[in-house]
Amino acid sequence: DQQVKQNSPSLSVQEGRISILNCDYTNSMFDYFLWYKKYPAEGPTFLISISSIKDKNEDGRFTVFLNKSAKHLSLHIVPSQPGDSAVYFCAASPSGGGADGLTFGKGTHLIIQP
Amino acid sequence: DGGITQSPKYLFRKEGQNVTLSCEQNLNHDAMYWYRQDPGQGLRLIYYSQIVNDFQKGDIAEGYSVSREKKESFPLTVTSAQKNPTAFYLCASSIQDGLEQYFGPGTRLTVT
Repeated sequence: DQQVKQNSPSLSVQEGRISILNCDYTNSMFDYFLWYKKYPAEGPTFLISISSIKDKNEDGRFTVFLNKSAKHLSLHIVPSQPGDSAVYFCAASPSGGGADGLTFGKGTHLIIQP
Repeated sequence: DGGITQSPKYLFRKEGQNVTLSCEQNLNHDAMYWYRQDPGQGLRLIYYSQIVNDFQKGDIAEGYSVSREKKESFPLTVTSAQKNPTAFYLCASSIQDGLEQYFGPGTRLTVT
């Protein structure tokens, strides 16, 4: 039973436009959420995170929105650039830390078209 | 220059052989993790260790073993009991109870 779901396996966006990647979760114990970016044959790199006490966190072109009542979060990338083409993983952890690791979604492959 | 190293990047083995994947970190992190990634799948947790000489099974520990004799090192052994060992293996570390994990570059294991 998937506790973190990324329902879009891939997403194609034109360069300069907004990319919106979605993530849903089922475990109400999750309190901290992270987005990772991964290029082929490389390890994921941390992108941005949000805790449940916030509903928005912004870092440059990246903004994460959290709707706790809907158990939904989204990552917005504005404007999208060619280097953003990668697989994006949503991850979640219960409060108190990642004592047993993060729970990851299956990822969304973002393709930025010129 | 702190980070996590995994070696080798590509590894080939014959079916029935055990193989050990290396993971070393110089970030002074207490916690270390092993994940496996398969095509179209997210990262699945194999084993994790919060402290030296202690480790716990993750979601898919069957057919794998680990050791944590040193803080810096968390090797993963893929045994012959693992039914589908061909995958991309990722090691990560974090501060104690840390939420943000830092990943190594990964090892692609192919078993034929």
